[in-house]
Amino acid sequence: QVQLQQWGAGLLKPSETLSLTCAVFGGSFSGYYWTWIRQSPGKGLEWIGEIDHGGSSNHNLSLKSRISMSVDTSKNHFSLKLTSVTAADTAVYYCARNAVDWSSASYYIDVWGNGAPVTVSS
Amino acid sequence: QSVLTQPPSASGTPGQRVTISCSGSNFNIGTNTVHWYHQLPGTAPKLLIYSNNQRPSGVPDRFSGSKSATSASLAISGLQSEDEANYFCATWDDSLSGWVFGGGTTVTVL
Repeated sequence: QVQLQQWGAGLLKPSETLSLTCAVFGGSFSGYYWTWIRQSPGKGLEWIGEIDHGGSSNHNLSLKSRISMSVDTSKNHFSLKLTSVTAADTAVYYCARNAVDWSSASYYIDVWGNGAPVTVSS
Repeated sequence: QSVLTQPPSASGTPGQRVTISCSGSNFNIGTNTVHWYHQLPGTAPKLLIYSNNQRPSGVPDRFSGSKSATSASLAISGLQSEDEANYFCATWDDSLSGWVFGGGTTVTVL
């Protein structure tokens, strides 16, 4: 049973850089897209981006200029950096896995990390 | 301001059937499969239904999903107190080139 464990700084000041890492346990790291999603009371769930084990990535266009994602296949880790944070970036950040349903040739998010609350405040 | 539209709340008595709708557009639900999750306060979402109507192992058959055109629905039959949670839908949006989500529906068991 795959599990995702995430960690990173929880309290940031405006203009700082948010850094989060997610470790994959109990399952294969290759063959999946690894995803970042955030959830806030005001904006609900928002997809941030995804990256595969080879480093190929897709980003939310509204955040793209501030996003950096990477993978470390030696550790089965993937990471997110979000620069120049503001109060609007305050949210619970989740890492997650995209699985493939071969019968419909579609992706779906099947496993979520436990979430990392991030607060941006001066 | 979620891309997918869900009613904010739904309720029913134990044993009743509750249905939650998820409305989108031709760019998302109309083209791609829909997935459903439930979430308890302070916890991570968990997958309930994938690819419109498929249940992962371990999910009771009281939960079922369907899709028609640009809308999808989640039905909970034989409602139980443990079904009290927030439910949301998700799919890929071709115009935004990303995942989009519903605003969530809080289910209350009366």
